[in-house]
Amino acid sequence: QQQVRQSPQSLTVWEGETTILNCSYEDSTFDYFPWYRQFPGKSPALLIAISLVSNKKEDGRFTIFFNKREKKLSLHITDSQPGDSATYFCAASGTGGYKVVFGSGTRLLVSP
Amino acid sequence: DAGVTQTPRHEVAEKGQTIILKCEPVSGHNDLFWYRQTKIQGLELLSYFRSKSLMEDGGAFKDRFKAEMLNSSFSTLKIQPTEPKDSAVYLCASSLGDRENTLYFGAGTRLSVL
Repeated sequence: QQQVRQSPQSLTVWEGETTILNCSYEDSTFDYFPWYRQFPGKSPALLIAISLVSNKKEDGRFTIFFNKREKKLSLHITDSQPGDSATYFCAASGTGGYKVVFGSGTRLLVSP
Repeated sequence: DAGVTQTPRHEVAEKGQTIILKCEPVSGHNDLFWYRQTKIQGLELLSYFRSKSLMEDGGAFKDRFKAEMLNSSFSTLKIQPTEPKDSAVYLCASSLGDRENTLYFGAGTRLSVL
């Protein structure tokens, strides 16, 4: 059973466009949602995160929007750049021991 | 401060062999995770330790996969016996174990089982 779901599986956008990556979860004990970014040939690294107490978290061109009622999150990347091309993982952790569960990832390609 | 160190970076094994992957977490981190990454399955949690205690043993991976944390600065993942379907990148990550629990990943071990 996949506890964290991501869509789309892959996405291509043009440079300058806004990218929207989607994530949903089922487990109500999850209360912290980090997004990790993985460049080709590299390991994942934390990009931005949001907790249950917030509806929105912004960091430069990256913004997380959180719909708690529907258990859905989205990561928006404004003015997408070729350097943003990577795989983006939505993850979740909660009060049940802080285990971190990852979604299957979205592979983003930004074309110049 | 050193990051997470994984050795070896690459491993080639024959089917049926026993292999041991190693991980040194960030000094002072309390949590240690082993993940397997494949293109099809993504990041799958194999094992999770908190302060050297095994918290999660990965369910479906229990029969041939065994992770141990001998001390707070060293962990191993043993796969015995290996099968071709085990070919993947094995990632070790550590964290402080605080509420935000940011994971710091090692560079990974790429395992190929022939």
